[in-house]
Amino acid sequence: DGGITQSPKYLFRKEGQNVTLSCEQNLNHDAMYWYRQDPGQGLRLIYYSQIVNDFQKGDIAEGYSVSREKKESFPLTVTSAQKNPTAFYLCASSNRAGKGYTFGSGTRLTVV
Amino acid sequence: AQRVTQPEKLLSVFKGAPVELKCNYSYSGSPELFWYVQYSRQRLQLLLRHISRESIKGFTADLNKGETSFHLKKPFAQEEDSAMYYCALSYPNTDKLIFGTGTRLQVFP
Repeated sequence: DGGITQSPKYLFRKEGQNVTLSCEQNLNHDAMYWYRQDPGQGLRLIYYSQIVNDFQKGDIAEGYSVSREKKESFPLTVTSAQKNPTAFYLCASSNRAGKGYTFGSGTRLTVV
Repeated sequence: AQRVTQPEKLLSVFKGAPVELKCNYSYSGSPELFWYVQYSRQRLQLLLRHISRESIKGFTADLNKGETSFHLKKPFAQEEDSAMYYCALSYPNTDKLIFGTGTRLQVFP
């Protein structure tokens, strides 16, 4: 069953801690993306990767980091430098053929 | 700067009424535009693309370059159309999407 999997579904973090969100896809898609979804603000792009071992900052990259060591995986680390990390995070992938994205089910991160 | 604007946060209609969800964009090149939908407790999913000129679930959207709009329309709304709808614009050659802030459609029986 092809798809994109995000884990965990819910994540709680103490202030000052780094935390890593997982995103895995078995669709053989080249490109992967991380978005942040906040009420009233839509989806904002954090980072994206068009190919393995390469990634670019999106519109709100500060306080986040990513890696793309494997085609299937694009983990996102929310660092302690991110001032307002509580949000819903969405991962997506695409085959770069203009056919649109496949989205994961999301991770809700809460800072306690 | 490239931007997608969805002016309505909430649109409420009765079943059988026509629906139009507005989307305007600002982009200097030739855009590729999409509508995505998120039903309750489901993943965000692609509804339609302007290059396909298709009708999905009775919805259509026409790209109007003169008005820089890509409004989503359906002549007769159904209760199952209730969802969050996002308009998105793609940068050429990257597939990177810029999303609007979304419009919640509520269809009452």
